[in-house]
Amino acid sequence: SAVISQKPSRDICQRGTSLTIQCQVDSQVTMMFWYRQQPGQSLTLIATANQGSEATYESGFVIDKFPISRPNLTFSTLTVSNLSPEDSSIYLCSARQGARSGELFFGEGSRLTVL
Amino acid sequence: KNEVEQSPQNLTAQEGEFITINCSYSVGISALHWLQQHPGGGIVSLFMLSSGKKKHGRLIATINIQEKHSSLHITASHPRDSAVYICAVPETSGSRLTFGEGTQLTVNP
Repeated sequence: SAVISQKPSRDICQRGTSLTIQCQVDSQVTMMFWYRQQPGQSLTLIATANQGSEATYESGFVIDKFPISRPNLTFSTLTVSNLSPEDSSIYLCSARQGARSGELFFGEGSRLTVL
Repeated sequence: KNEVEQSPQNLTAQEGEFITINCSYSVGISALHWLQQHPGGGIVSLFMLSSGKKKHGRLIATINIQEKHSSLHITASHPRDSAVYICAVPETSGSRLTFGEGTQLTVNP
């Protein structure tokens, strides 16, 4: 079992600024993921955070807009850059022990509102 | 890509009722996940199952691998069960998951 602490839980930001979200897992995990959930929608995978190397981004998401760090097996950050109102969403960190299988763990989510 | 269909999209029940949420997928899988998303946005993993049935308190999850179908049941539903329930299955390759659209459950006292 793993517990994920994600912060901030919510924030209100001005257009053009950036927000960095932190994700801390209480045990070492193989896989860490970042998701976006727009209002009324299901989860969309932004990227897989790779320990010690560049994240693997999904189609439609780029490193310049969503830089991700994962310096070790328990911690990752997601930055949402050059914010616009369209970035208003819930951002969720997730972890899994195995590469393709294993129990899923999620953070509490970070609710971002961009004015 | 594994296609996932969840039903119903919305469900309103009276306290004490028996609830069933369904999930069908298109490609054989190793395991299926049932998740619960609270109104604040946080997600809790309820079950991971690859065959048969699992029970945790008032929650029961079943899966039929041959039929590519899973159900989540809630017995003696309670207003605190009000949440979005999501099923998720692995994609055919890689480490990604495909998520169902979710079922918004509201249990009225």
